[in-house]
Amino acid sequence: QKEVEQDPGPLSVPEGAIVSLNCTYSNSAFQYFMWYRQYSRKGPELLMYTYSSGNKEDGRFTAQVDKSSKYISLFIRDSQPSDSATYLCAMSPNTGTASKLTFGTGTRLQVTL
Amino acid sequence: DVKVTQSSRYLVKRTGEKVFLECVQDMDHENMFWYRQDPGLGLRLIYFSYDVKMKEKGDIPEGYSVSREKKERFSLILESASTNQTSMYLCASGGTLGYTFGSGTRLTVV
Repeated sequence: QKEVEQDPGPLSVPEGAIVSLNCTYSNSAFQYFMWYRQYSRKGPELLMYTYSSGNKEDGRFTAQVDKSSKYISLFIRDSQPSDSATYLCAMSPNTGTASKLTFGTGTRLQVTL
Repeated sequence: DVKVTQSSRYLVKRTGEKVFLECVQDMDHENMFWYRQDPGLGLRLIYFSYDVKMKEKGDIPEGYSVSREKKERFSLILESASTNQTSMYLCASGGTLGYTFGSGTRLTVV
């Protein structure tokens, strides 16, 4: 079993829809949680960052962490065609040694007109 | 604008060739990483470095080596390229607060 599980999709939604992307994990030591967005033929870019449990909002994006359930989510409101990309979750334990991230395999999202 | 720059976007090499992938960052980060990304397998860590001349094996180091002679530069070396090393290679720098990735090198070994 992988440490981080993420549904690969693809997930297809109409423009304007609310999108929910999710990851589950098994390592209770994870404290730092991130979402990356990767456009086709590009490297991933950091979208959202949260520490421990709770919610964080940035514009149309909300990241949510539920450590008791080992479950994290990314919500996208009023989705746009420009949001079409692969979204990767990533997480790290609370340690200073090289700060390695463990990534999910990514969910491909397509927002249609 | 902070950057991680990978020297090549696309490379085609022959089986058995020695291949060098170069990565340079301008953010003064201690940590640098090399990943490969394959469909259905996600990002897999090959090697990482947390200081000059220091290196640590990741999850799939076999067939690869690395070099970090200067803080800003981290090189991935394929000693004898094989077809199963055809992949997208991504360099990153950063730490617990997130990585900055390069644009990737699409390597094809024929």
